[in-house]
Amino acid sequence: DAKTTQPTSMDCAEGRAANLPCNHSTISGNEYVYWYRQIHSQGPQYIIHGLKNNETNEMASLIITEDRKSSTLILPHATLRDTAVYYCIVRVPYNAGNNRKLIWGLGTSLAVNP
Amino acid sequence: NAGVMQNPRHLVRRRGQEARLRCSPMKGHSHVYWYRQLPEEGLKFMVYLQKENIIDESGMPKERFSAEFPKEGPSILRIQQVVRGDSAAYFCASSPRHFGTAGGELFFGEGSRLTVL
Repeated sequence: DAKTTQPTSMDCAEGRAANLPCNHSTISGNEYVYWYRQIHSQGPQYIIHGLKNNETNEMASLIITEDRKSSTLILPHATLRDTAVYYCIVRVPYNAGNNRKLIWGLGTSLAVNP
Repeated sequence: NAGVMQNPRHLVRRRGQEARLRCSPMKGHSHVYWYRQLPEEGLKFMVYLQKENIIDESGMPKERFSAEFPKEGPSILRIQQVVRGDSAAYFCASSPRHFGTAGGELFFGEGSRLTVL
């Protein structure tokens, strides 16, 4: 699985959009971009994923550049409960064995301020 | 539909004692993974198990650590003769064997926090 780089930390005002960038310049054609988050003292939680099209669900939006070398996770109206560490991971799905190869970096520590 | 259940949530041990951490995967999931997270660090893969089989233990220390996933009952991560450096959060995750791209590849428990005095 390809490596990703993310900023160490970010701040966001409550109610505003939080835009979290991720670079994955070595991503290969069959790898998807996944985002997880880890709220303090809890296990990581899946947020969203995509291959090349932009994706949206009830939690967030994912914007992937045309060359797929980077992506941005958007929390449209951040709340205090969105304060967490956000991990960007690229991986090939479909096979449970691939889960062991996931590289979890340090992620981005997002602080949502009142 | 219960998620991944881990217990205990918090465990305190003295140096030299044994720690046993348990993980019950989500219903229908036959694949279990254990990760360790040290303070201020990312998740580190330890071991991958299927029912009754260890598939990959490349991330687990060679000594004092062992894992099992018996036919009946939860998966257990066992740490013998604990040392202070074993203090960490240990997360268990489970997944089905095959899946599409619905995002449901990996479900994590709330973790077990081991403190070694």
